Order: sequence, then structure tokens, then C-alpha cells
Amino acid sequence: QKEVEQDPGPLSVPEGAIVSLNCTYSNSAFQYFMWYRQYSRKGPELLMYTYSSGNKEDGRFTAQVDKSSKYISLFIRDSQPSDSATYLCAMSLSGNTGKLIFGQGTTLQVKP
Amino acid sequence: GAVVSQHPSWVICKSGTSVKIECRSLDFQATTMFWYRQFPKQSLMLMATSNEGSKATYEQGVEKDKFLINHASLTLSTLTVTSAHPEDSSFYICSASRAGEGRGTQYFGPGTRLTVL
Repeated sequence: QKEVEQDPGPLSVPEGAIVSLNCTYSNSAFQYFMWYRQYSRKGPELLMYTYSSGNKEDGRFTAQVDKSSKYISLFIRDSQPSDSATYLCAMSLSGNTGKLIFGQGTTLQVKP
Repeated sequence: GAVVSQHPSWVICKSGTSVKIECRSLDFQATTMFWYRQFPKQSLMLMATSNEGSKATYEQGVEKDKFLINHASLTLSTLTVTSAHPEDSSFYICSASRAGEGRGTQYFGPGTRLTVL
């Protein structure tokens, strides 16, 4: 079993839809949770950074962490074609070791 | 701020040759730099972690003699793939963490695509 599981998709939605992306994990010691966006042939770009459980909102993006269920989510409101990319969840252990464990990534396509 | 660059962005080499990839933090001092490898449609796998002036820490299964990492300054780290073989063909991505933010936050470079013939 992988430490971080993420459905690779692809996920296709119409423009303006609400997108829900999810990851599950097995290691209860993870404390830092991140979402990255990666365009084709580019490096990942940090979207959201959350410590421990709770919600965090930034514009059209909302990140949720449920440590009791070992489940994290990223919601995108009013999705745009420019949101079409691969979304990677990542997490790291407490103590800030710096080692990130990534999910496989979910490919999202937003159709105009 | 927090821009990381990589050079080259794309390289093709013959089997048996060595290739050097540079990673630079352009507008901040990077306390720690990380090197990842990403195969097509797969996630990023951490190869090694390096701090300026120290030897790199390699992940299990990564050959330190094959993947040489030099972190010469707070803004530059290099990865040298020695005696490259076709199975080393991959997308290599570096990241850097900024002083004061902790190593949980990493800023990624655009990646270098290596093709070994």
C-alpha cells in the first residue's frame, strides 16, 4: 500500500463547475499537507499549505484536512480552462523534516 | 518571490556520458535544496536532500556515486548524472526551501528533461 493514494483521473468538468480533488494517506504522523499544481512539462507550483487539521481558503481554492479520517481535499470553485493541469497532494512528517511524500497526481481538464 | 530556476531545461546525451544539471534560487537564500525524479504519469520521488556546505543525504535505493550532488552556495545546487544510461532518462526537478519557512514549504524549479540515447 502506498503511503499516499490519489486517483490519477483524468477528471473532466465543464467551465464553472466545482472541482473536488482528494487524497488519502496511511501514516498518521503526517502533519503538513500541501497541494501543488503542475502543468505539462513544468515543475510543481505550491497552491495551498496546511498544518494539521482544518480548512484553509485562498480565492477560489479551499483545502481541507481531516486527520481522523486520514483524508485531505482540495476544492476549486468556478473552475476555469486555465485550471487544467495535474494536481498533486503532498505531505510531510511533524518535525519539519522536509521530506515530502507525493500522491500520484490527478489530471484535471476544464472544458470551455 | 521564491523563484527557482534550472538549467538546462532539456538535454540529450549518449549512454556513458555525464550530465550536470544546475538548480538556482534566484531571489532568496535556500537553506535546503531537494532533488526529485519524475517518470511519465508518475509522482515525484525524492532522490536526495542537500544543505549548503554539507554532504547530501540520499534516499534509500539512490546511488550516491551515480547521482553526485554539490551544494556550493545558498543559491546553487548541482546534480551530476554520471555514466548515464537509458534507464536514467527522466524528468529531474529540484526544489528549495527558504530560511524562516521551514523545510515543509518547498519551491520547485521548472524541471530538466534528460534523455539518454
